[in-house]
Amino acid sequence: DQQVKQNSPSLSVQEGRISILNCDYTNSMFDYFLWYKKYPAEGPTFLISISSIKDKNEDGRFTVFLNKSAKHLSLHIVPSQPGDSAVYFCAASAVGDMRFGAGTRLTVKP
Amino acid sequence: NAGVTQTPKFQVLKTGQSMTLQCAQDMNHEYMSWYRQDPGMGLRLIHYSVGAGITDQGEVPNGYNVSRSTTEDFPLRLLSAAPSQTSVYFCASSSTRTWDSSAWEQYFGPGTRLTVT
Repeated sequence: DQQVKQNSPSLSVQEGRISILNCDYTNSMFDYFLWYKKYPAEGPTFLISISSIKDKNEDGRFTVFLNKSAKHLSLHIVPSQPGDSAVYFCAASAVGDMRFGAGTRLTVKP
Repeated sequence: NAGVTQTPKFQVLKTGQSMTLQCAQDMNHEYMSWYRQDPGMGLRLIHYSVGAGITDQGEVPNGYNVSRSTTEDFPLRLLSAAPSQTSVYFCASSSTRTWDSSAWEQYFGPGTRLTVT
């Protein structure tokens, strides 16, 4: 059973515009949510996280929003840059458990 | 610091063979974990360790063994390779000092691409 879902396999945006990546989860035991970024032939790189006690966390151009009642989180990238082109994985965690979504491939066009 | 290193980068095995994927980190991290990544499925947790001498199972532990005799090393053993274990394997470690959900903010190694024929 896939407890973390990223329903958009790909997303294409223009440089300078906003990128919004979405993620849904089913297990209410998850209390910490993370986004990882992955370039080809490399390991994932941690990007940003949010605890379930918050609804928003910002780090520079990256903002993660959490809607616990809807079991939904999103990653906003503003402004998007060509170097942001990568696969983005959403993840949800609890103590002793970590689940990833299947990933969304973001392409930022110059 | 070299970070998280994995060897080998590529490996081809025949069904039934055994092998060990190596993982090492030089950041003195307590928490380490192994994942496999398959097309369309994201990463799945195989085993993890919260410190030397302590390991536990993740989502997909069958067919894999781990041990953690030192803080630095966390090898993953395939006991009898099967074609279903063809995948890319990632090792990761965390700098978090408290074993809670934030321990999953991890540094990943570059991966080992394993093919079982």
